[in-house]
Formats: sequence, C-alpha cells, structure tokens
Amino acid sequence: QQPVQSPQAVILREGEDAVINCSSSKALYSVHWYRQKHGEAPVFLMILLKGGEQKGHEKISASFNEKKQQSSLYLTASQLSYSGTYFCGPPPGGFKTIFGAGTRLFVKA
Amino acid sequence: EADIYQTPRYLVIGTGKKITLECSQTMGHDKMYWYQQDPGMELHLIHYSYGVNSTEKGDLSSESTVSRIRTEHFPLTLESARPSHTSQYLCASSEWDRGLYNEQFFGPGTRLTVL
Repeated sequence: QQPVQSPQAVILREGEDAVINCSSSKALYSVHWYRQKHGEAPVFLMILLKGGEQKGHEKISASFNEKKQQSSLYLTASQLSYSGTYFCGPPPGGFKTIFGAGTRLFVKA
Repeated sequence: EADIYQTPRYLVIGTGKKITLECSQTMGHDKMYWYQQDPGMELHLIHYSYGVNSTEKGDLSSESTVSRIRTEHFPLTLESARPSHTSQYLCASSEWDRGLYNEQFFGPGTRLTVL
C-alpha cells in the first residue's frame, strides 16, 4: 500500500511557506522525498532515517516521526523554482509499493 | 552529476511490435529500477534489481520483462506492444550505503506511444 500524501495540491505566492505530509500504514524505516518538475525526471531531495539521521542536497527541511509513521517536508520562503510535484515513499525492496501519489506545488510571483 | 542514460527518448510504434527500452548507468550502482508514469500521475515501480542476475517485480503488474546481465545495463522489453502500454518509462539507480537505501538517480525517461 502506497504512502498517503497531503495536501494533493497547493498554490503559494513567492516567499510563503508550505508543509507537505506523508503517512504510511506500514512501518517506515526511512523516507525518501523527491521533486519532479513538469516534463522532467524526479530529483532527490532528502532521505530521513530512523534515529533522526538525514541526508539531503537542498535547503529544505523535513521531519520523520517513526512512531506515527509520518514524515513532513517544510518549504520555507518558497521560490518559483520550488514548483513541481513532490513525492514521498519508502525505498523499494522492503516494500514493493513506494511513492505516494504526489503533492502538486505551484509557486507564483 | 548523475550519469544514467535512457534510449530512445521518444518512441512511437505499432501494436504487436517487440520493443526494448535501454537504460545504462556509469556510476557502478548495484540497484536499478524501472518506473511507469502516466502524465501528471504517480510513479509506479514495475521492476527492480539488486545486482547482476537479480530482478524482482514491482508494485504495478507489468507485461514487460527485464534483465540484468551487466551491472551498468538494465533493459526493459515488451514482447508485443499494445496501446495500453503507452506511458513514460523512467529508469533509476542507487548504491547500497551501509545497508541503507541511498538516493535514486533518475534517467530522462522514454515516452512510449503505441498506436
């Protein structure tokens, strides 16, 4: 069963903040976050591991609540370049189903 | 920068044809994946591989098959293409880091249209 993401879509003005949530009915040992711009391939944002370890490439923060099997991605002071679809999920291998349905984020000037 | 390549980028083909989508990576990654994604929709894992001679089916049932004879190469084959196979196919790879799953690097995708 795939993770559930919320909201499904959000529209922001530049500089506004947003939170994207990801929850799973199955135990999560780690969470991946990716962003996909229109017509492009997904790009890695962050991995969050049990115990609080994180690994990411961009100035985007996230949290991982292992007990609640939830993760949240925090986008602060949004920029136009943040627009895209955000996917969360456990990595493949442990669970066959991985990515959530995605959250569409649109940042306008 | 990720070095993962997919060919062709676009393919329009008639029903019943056999096709092979190519995916190669030069990063030495053990794990490779194939995803199917319809426009504006979610990513569905259809195949993955832990290494040479290892392949597993993903969460979405697919009539395609894969092989992993070389670490860098993970081709996907459709023996008889049908219009229902029309979609975008994304290949990805990752390395094994301390027993944990590392980030996936995606190729540019192949957009397949079956007439």
